[in-house]
Amino acid sequence: QKEVEQNSGPLSVPEGAIASLNCTYSDRGSQSFFWYRQYSGKSPELIMSIYSNGDKEDGRFTAQLNKASQYVSLLIRDSQPSDSATYLCAVYTGTASKLTFGTGTRLQVTL
Amino acid sequence: DGGITQSPKYLFRKEGQNVTLSCEQNLNHDAMYWYRQDPGQGLRLIYYSQIVNDFQKGDIAEGYSVSREKKESFPLTVTSAQKNPTAFYLCASRSRGLSTDTQYFGPGTRLTVL
Repeated sequence: QKEVEQNSGPLSVPEGAIASLNCTYSDRGSQSFFWYRQYSGKSPELIMSIYSNGDKEDGRFTAQLNKASQYVSLLIRDSQPSDSATYLCAVYTGTASKLTFGTGTRLQVTL
Repeated sequence: DGGITQSPKYLFRKEGQNVTLSCEQNLNHDAMYWYRQDPGQGLRLIYYSQIVNDFQKGDIAEGYSVSREKKESFPLTVTSAQKNPTAFYLCASRSRGLSTDTQYFGPGTRLTVL
């Protein structure tokens, strides 16, 4: 079992819709969770971090964490074509010195 | 300007050559990291350093070496022992606060072996 798993996609949503991206992780002791956005050919950009169970909202983005079920999700409301990118889920695992990444979900927002 | 810089942006290497990738940060972060990304893949950890003059191997350290002589700098050398070095290399530094703990990335170096 991979430490951090994501569906590779592509996930296609129409402009203005809600995009929902999911991530599961295997280390029950993980405490810190992150979503990065990566445009093609560019480096990852941090868009959300979440450390406790529940929802965290920042503009059009909402991160949701459920430690009991070991999943973290990212909702993007009012999706825009500029949101088309690969979204990487990352989790601090082990001694929390190592950030483990999923392989990413490619999101396509269609006009 | 505060941030993480990597150079060069593109690097071409002949087989059998060692090359060094530069990573500099002026964010006063203690911890720095090197990752490798292959097409369609997530990031894999090569080496990391939590403090000056100390570093640890990550998941794929074979064929790579690092040094951490200054807080601001964490160069990565790709040696001829690395069998498949063509990849996108990303350097990151870690910001730790009372309620936050995140890594920020430099712009990356794309290495191609000719």
